[in-house]
Amino acid sequence: SQQGEEDPQALSIQEGENATMNCSYKTSINNLQWYRQNSGRGLVHLILIRSNEREKHSGRLRVTLDTSKKSSSLLITASRAADTASYFCATGYNDMRFGAGTRLTVKP
Amino acid sequence: GAVVSQHPSWVICKSGTSVKIECRSLDFQATTMFWYRQFPKQSLMLMATSNEGSKATYEQGVEKDKFLINHASLTLSTLTVTSAHPEDSSFYICSARQSSYNSPLHFGNGTRLTVT
Repeated sequence: SQQGEEDPQALSIQEGENATMNCSYKTSINNLQWYRQNSGRGLVHLILIRSNEREKHSGRLRVTLDTSKKSSSLLITASRAADTASYFCATGYNDMRFGAGTRLTVKP
Repeated sequence: GAVVSQHPSWVICKSGTSVKIECRSLDFQATTMFWYRQFPKQSLMLMATSNEGSKATYEQGVEKDKFLINHASLTLSTLTVTSAHPEDSSFYICSARQSSYNSPLHFGNGTRLTVT
């Protein structure tokens, strides 16, 4: 079974705009991770936020975590066409489960 | 660093045959490896979690005898799809985790299996 859900399912924006994706999960977590997948490829790890952290930055990425609401958000600032991909959140201990994902399209 | 090699990247086989997919961590030791299945435009469905030297833990609904997983060393796990049928056609992806729960997953590039 999936751990949670992302929304929106699909997002289309212009280059230079910001993209925000949300993830909700169901159980308690040790950390929450965000991944990116280009079509037909494996996933690439973007950022890991621990359960005792509220916000984390990495380059143009900003992740927030609200454990009281069991939700997280991923913000990509100043998006580029190369950011076009699917983005997934994942949680788990000995099992890592992924949300449904958000398909982001950045138009040049 | 942290490269996972998955092989083959694609395979076509006939119904009734078996296919083995390899997943290797090239520059780190993987305490745990995960096998996922992904349908077009969908998320990853966890099939099984594999710890080195132990039997894999399969998700509910995943047939152990059909999807054989072996994790004989800290750098290699294999998934064998036995007696493949067309409905087994899918994208299979492995990932490896180095140590603790706070380690990220490193993914192979996936295997596209087509059963004719």
